[in-house]
Amino acid sequence: NAGVTQTPKFRILKIGQSMTLQCTQDMNHNYMYWYRQDPGMGLKLIYYSVGAGITDKGEVPNGYNVSRSTTEDFPLRLELAAPSQTSVYFCASRRLAGGTQETQYFGPGTRLLVL
Amino acid sequence: GNSVTQMEGPVTLSEEAFLTINCTYTATGYPSLFWYVQYPGEGLQLLLKATKADDKGSNKGFEATYRKETTSFHLEKGSVQVSDSAVYFCALSLSYNTDKLIFGTGTRLQVFP
Repeated sequence: NAGVTQTPKFRILKIGQSMTLQCTQDMNHNYMYWYRQDPGMGLKLIYYSVGAGITDKGEVPNGYNVSRSTTEDFPLRLELAAPSQTSVYFCASRRLAGGTQETQYFGPGTRLLVL
Repeated sequence: GNSVTQMEGPVTLSEEAFLTINCTYTATGYPSLFWYVQYPGEGLQLLLKATKADDKGSNKGFEATYRKETTSFHLEKGSVQVSDSAVYFCALSLSYNTDKLIFGTGTRLQVFP
């Protein structure tokens, strides 16, 4: 298994541009999450999904959109990029069974710089 | 609200020194507690976890005990190695909150030979 994969690894955007961060997992996990990590800070939840076709907002959803058309993929869309969205973005997934005891598996991250 | 507080870093140690990274939490209900580690340039990896009071999580020589009375989950290792240099995140998860992880701000550990 490749686990959780993210593309691209690094991207520079100009203010006002848009882009999609890709996330794919091959573990057949129901739950998927997007976090952002700002320098010197912990991770903040942007959006999450409990299964295909179901998404919900996390702590910091403004400026982002998500979709979950398949179990494997959970892309994060940035519309009208702003400097405040400069961050490292992590995707994570976990399986359904076991509830809060289940481990979340993280991808390697996408570093985004908005200038 | 629910939150996690970690000691600020960086923590700088010599090889074979004893490590403690403090973590306390505030939560309504009965959270599961986790320590994640982030090595340079990589994503987060689960280091250990505990799901109920008095449980001890352990892995790779690291240990943490879920203390409900002091709402703490301190990370310890008896003898650190240079390869342990990383950022360590304490986190909690609550069942009624759809298992969203709430992270502390992270503590950077630097181990020198």
